[in-house]
Amino acid sequence: AAGVIQSPRHLIKEKRETATLKCYPIPRHDTVYWYQQGPGQDPQFLISFYEKMQSDKGSIPDRFSAQQFSDYHSELNMSSLELGDSALYFCASSSSPSGGASGELFFGEGSRLTVL
Amino acid sequence: AQSVTQLGSHVSVSEGALVLLRCNYSSSVPPYLFWYVQYPNQGLQLLLKYTSAATLVKGINGFEAEFKKSETSFHLTKPSAHMSDAAEYFCAVSDPGGYSTLTFGKGTMLLVSP
Repeated sequence: AAGVIQSPRHLIKEKRETATLKCYPIPRHDTVYWYQQGPGQDPQFLISFYEKMQSDKGSIPDRFSAQQFSDYHSELNMSSLELGDSALYFCASSSSPSGGASGELFFGEGSRLTVL
Repeated sequence: AQSVTQLGSHVSVSEGALVLLRCNYSSSVPPYLFWYVQYPNQGLQLLLKYTSAATLVKGINGFEAEFKKSETSFHLTKPSAHMSDAAEYFCAVSDPGGYSTLTFGKGTMLLVSP
């Protein structure tokens, strides 16, 4: 079965550079979520989109922005990168904003960003 | 607002021993509850979920959890630990309905010794 696809899997950037992460949800899933997991930390919710509109917002820095496109894939743009942005970034998808009847989010393998 | 508290950042058991990972939740409405497992340098894999059906939920790899409303708990158990169970386990809660997001606990690292 198709899963959530994230790219790139690994990314190394310098401070003050810009990075873009991509997420391709499971087919027919219309809701995408972004989470950030720092070293030894629990995943923190950043932002979510439903039908290409922002549906919820968490602890996303102002330097970050995201959008969902007409094919439901999503991109997380991070500018003026800081050392503290080094983390594993997860994308998840679901069949509705509340996770569908099962309430379940399906997670990708994550994109590991390292800022030097 | 909803939240989960996982008691113990690390739990150590011997192979073959009972595994018990504790999770207590706080929610203003009957929640959905989840346990996820994360192996080193990997993504989050769903172990099991409670979505207001049976209070005893069975998941993959022999894990199960029981929803106890009176105790606001959703502890994860496995009768006999295996070396391959060593991983980090996250309890998570969501509000069924609306634009709810999944909120994770701090995680519990399960260590299994021979």
